[in-house]
Amino acid sequence: ETGVTQSPTHLIKTRGQQVTLRCSSQSGHNTVSWYQQALGQGPQFIFQYYREEENGRGNFPPRFSGLQFPNYSSELNVNALELDDSALYLCASRVALFLGGPYSTDTQYFGPGTRLTVL
Amino acid sequence: AQSVTQLDSQVPVFEEAPVELRCNYSSSVSVYLFWYVQYPNQGLQLLLKYLSGSTLVKGINGFEAEFNKSQTSFHLRKPSVHISDTAEYFCAVSENSNTGKLIFGQGTTLQVKP
Repeated sequence: ETGVTQSPTHLIKTRGQQVTLRCSSQSGHNTVSWYQQALGQGPQFIFQYYREEENGRGNFPPRFSGLQFPNYSSELNVNALELDDSALYLCASRVALFLGGPYSTDTQYFGPGTRLTVL
Repeated sequence: AQSVTQLDSQVPVFEEAPVELRCNYSSSVSVYLFWYVQYPNQGLQLLLKYLSGSTLVKGINGFEAEFNKSQTSFHLRKPSVHISDTAEYFCAVSENSNTGKLIFGQGTTLQVKP
C-alpha cells in the first residue's frame, strides 16, 4: 500500500464525452504526476503539478488538463474523449524538496489506477 | 531524446532459477534509473533505484540491478525466483531535472513456472 488512492476504479464513457479522474496523494506529498498506460505498454507521462500549477507536460493535447488542490489531491480531466483514450490512468505523488534547483530524488509513489474504457 | 528499451517482452523461467531482465537506455545527460513491478490489476511498486554512487543497487524482494554507464544498461537480476514474482516489470529513466518525468520501457512479463 502506497497511500495514494484513485477513484473511480473503472469507468466507461462514450466517444466525445468528458471525464474526471481523481487522485488523493500520500500524506505530506506536494507533487503529483499523471500517466497514461495503454494496454501492453509502459506508462506515458501526461503532466506534473506542483503547488497547484502545472510544471511539466508530456506529448498530450490540451484536452488533457488537470487540477491540484491545496490539500494535494488532484484531478485529471479529459475532454472530447476518443477511442484511443482507453487506458489505465495512474497518478503518482512525491515530495519535491526544491524545484527550480536541485532535482528532488524522492521516490514517486503510484496509485492503483483508474481503468477508462471509451466506447 | 531519452528512450528506454526492454529487450525481452516475455521471460519464462522455472521456480528457484535465476533470472535477468534487460534494460538499455539512451540519454545525452546524466540520468536516474528505476525498476518498477506491476502485479495484475494494480499500480506500480518501486523495486529499486539508482541515483548515484555504487553501481550495484539492491532492492526489495531479493532483486538487484547493476548500472553500467559505458553500456547504458541497467539490468535487473534475482538469483532465485518464486511463483509470486510473476508480474510485469518496467524499467524507467528520469533526467536530472525538476519535472519528475519518468520515461518507461515497454515492460517485460516475467512468468515463473512451477
